[in-house]
Amino acid sequence: DIVMTQSPDSLAVSLGERATINCKSSQSVFDSSNNKNYLAWYQRKPGQTPKLVIYWASTRESGVPDRFSGSGSGTDFTLTISSLQAEDVAVYYCQQYYSTPLTFGGGTKVEIK
Amino acid sequence: EVQLVESGGGLVQPGRSLRLSCTASGFTFGDYAMSWFRQAPGKGLEWVGFIKTRTYGGTTEYAASVNGRFTISRDDSKSIAYLQMNSLKTEDTAMYYCTRDGRFFSFWGQGTMVTVSS
Repeated sequence: DIVMTQSPDSLAVSLGERATINCKSSQSVFDSSNNKNYLAWYQRKPGQTPKLVIYWASTRESGVPDRFSGSGSGTDFTLTISSLQAEDVAVYYCQQYYSTPLTFGGGTKVEIK
Repeated sequence: EVQLVESGGGLVQPGRSLRLSCTASGFTFGDYAMSWFRQAPGKGLEWVGFIKTRTYGGTTEYAASVNGRFTISRDDSKSIAYLQMNSLKTEDTAMYYCTRDGRFFSFWGQGTMVTVSS
């Protein structure tokens, strides 16, 4: 199984400042045959189901604000919120879909400082 | 609008069976793989398994923790995906969610709670 490790567990960022979340996979999730990284990011607020934010490591889901961006390749990935807004307070998860079982990171809680 | 509605959850004794349904609307059901996830109290999201489309043979894959006990099926004529859960264990207690697709997931149902307890 591919183990996904996120860091930090939580972070507090001032409104308008940058938030950076890291995700590391235990093995590469890059497929050289199509040049794609099989990595997604989700936002989850209390009492809600996960909301897809990023897929293919860097493709923003329709309707997601452009302050959200994903980067990285192979085993190391980053989700960046360029200018944190109050509505971005949530837990963020990475998920690999390179191989089954599909696996998630443990989550990063983003709060306002 | 894509909608996924799970049903069939409840309280069940260990060793018994339960069948969950996921009724879909707002898209051509037969064109999409369907997946199931669960989240036990205080734990993270766990992938349970998925079923591919009939075009891809309707094949299924499962997490090791449920393989041999759980079966995912689909009825494209009714736009319903099923999760048949047999030989239930207390550790199967969780909220169960269905999702559209088999890789990354834009659409989730609200979940149905399964409690396995004597």
